[in-house]
Parts: sequence; structure tokens; C-alpha cells
Amino acid sequence: ETGVTQSPTHLIKTRGQQVTLRCSSQSGHNTVSWYQQALGQGPQFIFQYYREEENGRGNFPPRFSGLQFPNYSSELNVNALELDDSALYLCASSWDRDTEQYFGPGTRLTVT
Amino acid sequence: KQEVTQIPAALSVPEGENLVLNCSFTDSAIYNLQWFRQDPGKGLTSLLLIQSSQREQTSGRLNASLDKSSGRSTLYIAASQPGDSATYLCAARGNFGNEKLTFGTGTRLTIIP
Repeated sequence: ETGVTQSPTHLIKTRGQQVTLRCSSQSGHNTVSWYQQALGQGPQFIFQYYREEENGRGNFPPRFSGLQFPNYSSELNVNALELDDSALYLCASSWDRDTEQYFGPGTRLTVT
Repeated sequence: KQEVTQIPAALSVPEGENLVLNCSFTDSAIYNLQWFRQDPGKGLTSLLLIQSSQREQTSGRLNASLDKSSGRSTLYIAASQPGDSATYLCAARGNFGNEKLTFGTGTRLTIIP
């Protein structure tokens, strides 16, 4: 167990809707990173937050946004859902921006 | 732009055999390289992390090596067991200022009892 939790485990949304995924980091970890993993692919970096500010972003459109809170929780928000957004979303927490990342179990999002 | 490749995509071996999984990366300016295990539909479990200054790391039956000059890393699994069946992913971390992990697509390993 990494001590990183994510909720919900699974959810189903309709194209065009909005979704919020949540992550609870290990206590004391100032950094959270989010990844999208499509079926049969490796995880793709979405963005990283360090002390509540965005600290790097991958090749994802602005409708993917995030928040990090002082209580070591964070959110990934996706607006205007598309079918291709169907994937496993993983969060990873770490003590600092360049230290080892500990992954949560993921949230499986299905967009119909 | 860093690209990470893992070949083969799938591998089946009889129980008890030793095996090697391969990972190659295009940009040798990495901060570290990490190997993960992923069971179907689950999150990632970190197996080994090799810093750029290191050549190898060992944990139990697992040994990972890193050769930055050739852009290659290998994960050696000794005396394979059916419980080792999973997808194995490697990920390269960029240098300071680019701390994201770049993953390969993984090798799906099946150990045949």
C-alpha cells in the first residue's frame, strides 16, 4: 500500500459532461502528479502540482484542469468529456517535485 | 522529446525460468529510471528506482540495470513464479525542470505453471 487513495473507483459519464476525480496524497507530500492511461498504453503525464500551483503540464487541452489543497488532497477536473477521455486516471504523490512518486489505485472513467 | 520503448509487448515463460525485460529511451539526460508492476485494472506498484548515477539496483529476485550511454535499462527476474504475471512498465524521469515520468507501453508477462 502506498498510502495514496483515489475516488471514485469507477464512474460512467456521457459525452459533453464534466467530471471531478479526487486523490488523497500521503501526509507531508507536497507534490501530486496526474496521469491518463488508455487501455493497452503506458500512462501519459497530464500535469503536476507543487504546493498548490501547477508545476508542469503535458500535452493535454485546457479542459483538463486541477487543484491541490493544503490538506494533501487534489482534484482533476475534465470538462466537455469526449469518448477518447475514457481511461484509467492515476495520481501520484511525492515529497518533492523530483522525488519518488507513489501511485494510487486509479479511477476508471468510461465516457459513453 | 523523450520516448520510451519496451519490447516485446508480451512474453510467456515457464515457471522457474530467469528472464529479462527490456526498456530503451531516446534522451540519455535522465534523472532516474523506474520500473513498475501493474496488475490488470490496477494502479502501479514501484519495483525499483535507479538514479542516473547508479548502474543497478536489486530487490529480492529482481535486478534492474541502467546504461545511460546506450539508452537502455533491463529488469532481470530470477526464478520466475506464477505470481510474477503482470504488466511491467519502465519510466524515465527528466532532469530538474522536467520532472514528469515518461512511460513505455509495457511488457505483459505471463508465467506458465
